[in-house]
Amino acid sequence: AQSVTQLGSHVSVSEGALVLLRCNYSSSVPPYLFWYVQYPNQGLQLLLKYTSAATLVKGINGFEAEFKKSETSFHLTKPSAHMSDAAEYFCAVGDSSYKLIFGSGTRLLVRP
Amino acid sequence: KAGVTQTPRYLIKTRGQQVTLSCSPISGHRSVSWYQQTPGQGLQFLFEYFSETQRNKGNFPGRFSGRQFSNSRSEMNVSTLELGDSALYLCASSTSGRGESEAFFGQGTRLTVV
Repeated sequence: AQSVTQLGSHVSVSEGALVLLRCNYSSSVPPYLFWYVQYPNQGLQLLLKYTSAATLVKGINGFEAEFKKSETSFHLTKPSAHMSDAAEYFCAVGDSSYKLIFGSGTRLLVRP
Repeated sequence: KAGVTQTPRYLIKTRGQQVTLSCSPISGHRSVSWYQQTPGQGLQFLFEYFSETQRNKGNFPGRFSGRQFSNSRSEMNVSTLELGDSALYLCASSTSGRGESEAFFGQGTRLTVV
């Protein structure tokens, strides 16, 4: 069965610093990978997705993620954090049985 | 283009009651999925519908059920509510529901069982 692991339930960075949120997946076949963001009392918003076209994927709000098959990783990065980036981030893998499997989420805190 | 609409946004119910949540997908999307989000269990898949057919169901008791109508709108029902059913219920729509398909989420329905 496929699974997703997000290392670090909380990540704290200073405004302007690099953001790195980690995601590792397990999949026996090439995966479809997604990053979502959730603001308080809101639904999930798609940041970016990987579907094998390119290993470096650019998303909205300056985020990008790199697919590394050898490391089974799909880490999310942003060069410079902004206060508005404070939210919870979820990594997910698209399953062949019509569902998304989510990681446990990482809450990003941005210090002024 | 209108997004995924979930109604109501908030609900308070008493143990033992039943509840029905509604989801209107993005126009043209035929797949609707439901997820339960709780602090302890995270995001868990409930079920997925495509063209009125349930194609997959998560590991939830039979008290949780759903359906999809011919216009792709979907409802989920929870009967005999328990305190542990308190959660944010999220609906997502996509064109096909397949693994590569982007899922767009609604704002959710916050259910509180007292």
